[in-house]
Order: sequence, then C-alpha cells, then structure tokens
Amino acid sequence: DAGVIQSPRHEVTEMGQEVTLRCKPISGHNSLFWYRQTMMRGLELLIYFNNNVPIDDSGMPEDRFSAKMPNASFSTLKIQPSEPRDSAVYFCASSLAWAGDTQYFGPGTRLTVL
Amino acid sequence: AQKVTQAQTEISVVEKEDVTLDCVYETRDTTYYLFWYKQPPSGELVFLIRRNSFDEQNEISGRYSWNFQKSTSSFNFTITASQVVDSAVYFCALSEGQGQGGKLIFGQGTELSVKP
Repeated sequence: DAGVIQSPRHEVTEMGQEVTLRCKPISGHNSLFWYRQTMMRGLELLIYFNNNVPIDDSGMPEDRFSAKMPNASFSTLKIQPSEPRDSAVYFCASSLAWAGDTQYFGPGTRLTVL
Repeated sequence: AQKVTQAQTEISVVEKEDVTLDCVYETRDTTYYLFWYKQPPSGELVFLIRRNSFDEQNEISGRYSWNFQKSTSSFNFTITASQVVDSAVYFCALSEGQGQGGKLIFGQGTELSVKP
C-alpha cells in the first residue's frame, strides 16, 4: 500500500516567492496533519483537517501560511510570500480516525528560502 | 498543559550495548496516547509504537521494549543489543483524548549513535 506522498521533496526558492507544498494522504484516512520541523522549535503542528474540514489552525505561524484540502486525497500548504525563516522540513501525516490514532508521516519536503 | 520531555539530547553507545531512552510526559487528561517514532539519517519519521493510557502492560518487539508507568508519567524505550542501524533520532509524542483531536506533542528527541 502506498504511504503518504509529498511533493516536492526539496524546494529552493528566493525570499518573496510563493511556495506550494502538496500532500496525498493514505487512502481511507480521515485526518490529515501538517507539521514543521526546525532545529530551534523541533516538530510542531501547523494545522490539521478531519474529513477535509480544517479543525485547528492555531499552529499556523502567520497569515502568509494557508492550507487547503479540497478533497479526501489531496492537501496543499502554501506560503506567500516566503521568508528565510520559513526554511524547514514540512511533514504531512494522515490517520484513520481523529483522536489518538496512529499518524503515518510522509517523507517530508525540505524547504530552503534564500 | 501538555508537555513531553526527553532529557537525553544525545546518547552514544557501542554496538551490542543495551540503551534506554527516557520519556516523561505531562497531561491533565485521563485518556491519552503515547507514541515513539524513529527518524533515521534519511529524514523520514517511522512509527514504532502506540500506547493508550489504560494499557500499562509493557511491550516487547524483537530487540525493542517499552516500559509505561503512569505513576511516574514515563514511557521509556529500551533497545537491547544495539546495532549500527539503530542510529537515529528517536521522538516520544503525546496525543490527548478527543479534546485535542489527535494533535501530537513531540519531545525534543534523543539522538542515538551506535558505534561499531
């Protein structure tokens, strides 16, 4: 079975450019999560969806970040405009149920903003 | 407030040694879930184990074992006869009950280096 798929795996962009990260969750999973990993802050949740509906976006750092889930098999995380401090690894994860179920992670997107 | 503490930032052992990674958590919920993930040098996050707050039985899977003690709010991970392939960063994580909707709170991770 295919796991969580993320694209691109690596992204290098210049400050001020728009960046779009993509995620395809495991088929049949109802919950989707976006996490960010940095040396300073570790792994932190940005936003999560249940049945395509955003449930908690309190971790989204600022208005430059937005996320959508137009259907059960696709989600995007967009940064516009990007800044050097957004450089990090962005992980998408999915799980079957809502609370407490195991989250399976994609390979991550390593974003570098110059 | 929820919190996960992994006090050991880095551990270095020689192959075949046993090693224990510590995890202490804080939560006010009576229903919660604990996890361990492995992040090898390649960068992906690999799920290892999930435990709910009502199941305090220890678990063993091959060379891996986990000790869950609610009395001390700890969920420690032991690797027996470590191997070089065990070198990775290991994360302990907490998910509270329905109130938090499955959000994972991660510890800062313990970097394990197993030398031949």
